[in-house]
Amino acid sequence: GAVVSQHPSWVICKSGTSVKIECRSLDFQATTMFWYRQFPKQSLMLMATSNEGSKATYEQGVEKDKFLINHASLTLSTLTVTSAHPEDSSFYICSARPSLNNEQFFGPGTRLTVL
Amino acid sequence: AQSVSQHNHHVILSEAASLELGCNYSYGGTVNLFWYVQYPGQHLQLLLKYFSGDPLVKGIKGFEAEFIKSKFSFNLRKPSVQWSDTAEYFCAVNAGNAGNMLTFGGGTRLMVKP
Repeated sequence: GAVVSQHPSWVICKSGTSVKIECRSLDFQATTMFWYRQFPKQSLMLMATSNEGSKATYEQGVEKDKFLINHASLTLSTLTVTSAHPEDSSFYICSARPSLNNEQFFGPGTRLTVL
Repeated sequence: AQSVSQHNHHVILSEAASLELGCNYSYGGTVNLFWYVQYPGQHLQLLLKYFSGDPLVKGIKGFEAEFIKSKFSFNLRKPSVQWSDTAEYFCAVNAGNAGNMLTFGGGTRLMVKP
């Protein structure tokens, strides 16, 4: 089956620093990748849709200058949380959608803790 | 914008009990429907999906779901749950006018007592 990986799985950083999270589709090409945020005991909230070679589309209320998304290749998308603050602490999950397929495959998530 | 509602936030069942988790959505056009499961400490996994055809969909691990268009529902069922079904279950909808975007319900936390 299609496998999506995320790196790192857990990161702790100081307030004010930037953190980059990688999302890779390991055995398929993904024209579209999605970034979600999941707060404790809550559902996934879509942050942005990332299309290879173009700018990401951000959902309402998500600051694009704070959450930088780059989808440079068909197998890699990155989310950079810039100038992280404690309120950015959350579980960030990516998913990837293969070409010509309506199904999304989810990564294992990255737990970000900002001190 | 479409919305997805899961009315049961927490469900506790004994092993061998039957399960039905409700999912309703608010979009009136063509939809693709999904149920995902998240076991403790693990990532989301697809249980089943409906795109078209037979509205009764069978998924992995004995789960099934029925798409009832007139009720805008896609309820998840399992005749006899096991302790290993303890997890959080998410219903998700991709509406025809939303491109590839998935909208998730709030999730239902299922605990199965041995």
